[in-house]
Amino acid sequence: GQSLEQPSEVTAVEGAIVQINCTYQTSGFYGLSWYQQHDGGAPTFLSYNALDGLEETGRFSSFLSRSDSYGYLLLQELQMKDSASYFCAVRDQGQAGTALIFGKGTTLSVSS
Amino acid sequence: DSGVTQTPKHLITATGQRVTLRCSPRSGDLSVYWYQQSLDQGLQFLIQYYNGEERAKGNILERFSAQQFPDLHSELNLSSLELGDSALYFCASSPSTAGNTIYFGEGSWLTVV
Repeated sequence: GQSLEQPSEVTAVEGAIVQINCTYQTSGFYGLSWYQQHDGGAPTFLSYNALDGLEETGRFSSFLSRSDSYGYLLLQELQMKDSASYFCAVRDQGQAGTALIFGKGTTLSVSS
Repeated sequence: DSGVTQTPKHLITATGQRVTLRCSPRSGDLSVYWYQQSLDQGLQFLIQYYNGEERAKGNILERFSAQQFPDLHSELNLSSLELGDSALYFCASSPSTAGNTIYFGEGSWLTVV
C-alpha cells in the first residue's frame, strides 16, 4: 500500500518563497512527482525526482530524500497565477499496480 | 492542451441512471488512467489500462467499469448512480505503464441529482 501526506493549505504573498512538503510510504519506490492543478482544471506535470537532491526548473524546484521518505516543492518569486493546488505523487507497485497515486493536495493561495 | 480528449465535459443525470465517459489518449500513448476527484478529495485512482488490457485497479466501485478499445480510446461506465458519485472524472494517458509523467484531459464533470 501507499500513503502520501502533505499540508492541506499554504498561504503566501507575491514575491515570497513557499515550500510544500510531502512525506510518503509506499512499497517499491520509483520516484516522487509533483503536479499543479488550477481550480477546476486539469492537473499538469511540474517535476519528478528519482534520486536524492534538488531539481530546479525555473522558479520551481523539487527535492527528494529517499532515506527520509520525504520531498518538497519549492516555489520562488511567487506570482498570483501560482495560486493552485499542488499534488505529490508516487508510482505504486502494490495493490494499485503501476499507477500514479496522488496525495490529497495542498491549496496554495498567493495574495498581493 | 495535453492532447487527451474527454467527453462529455459536463453531464447531469438522475440517481439510479447509467452514464459513459469517453477518453481519447494522446497520440501514441498506450496507457490510460481514470481518476475521480470529489470536493475536498484528492485524485483518487480508479483503474488503468495498457494496450487494451487492465493493468492496475484502485478504489473502483463494483458499479463502475471501464475498458480500452483496439483504437486505444477508453470508456468509463458508471451505473446505479448515487448522489455521492458526483465528481470530476479525469482521464490521463502516458506512453508506457511506467509513467511518472502522465497527461490529463480536462475532465468530465458529473452531477447526479
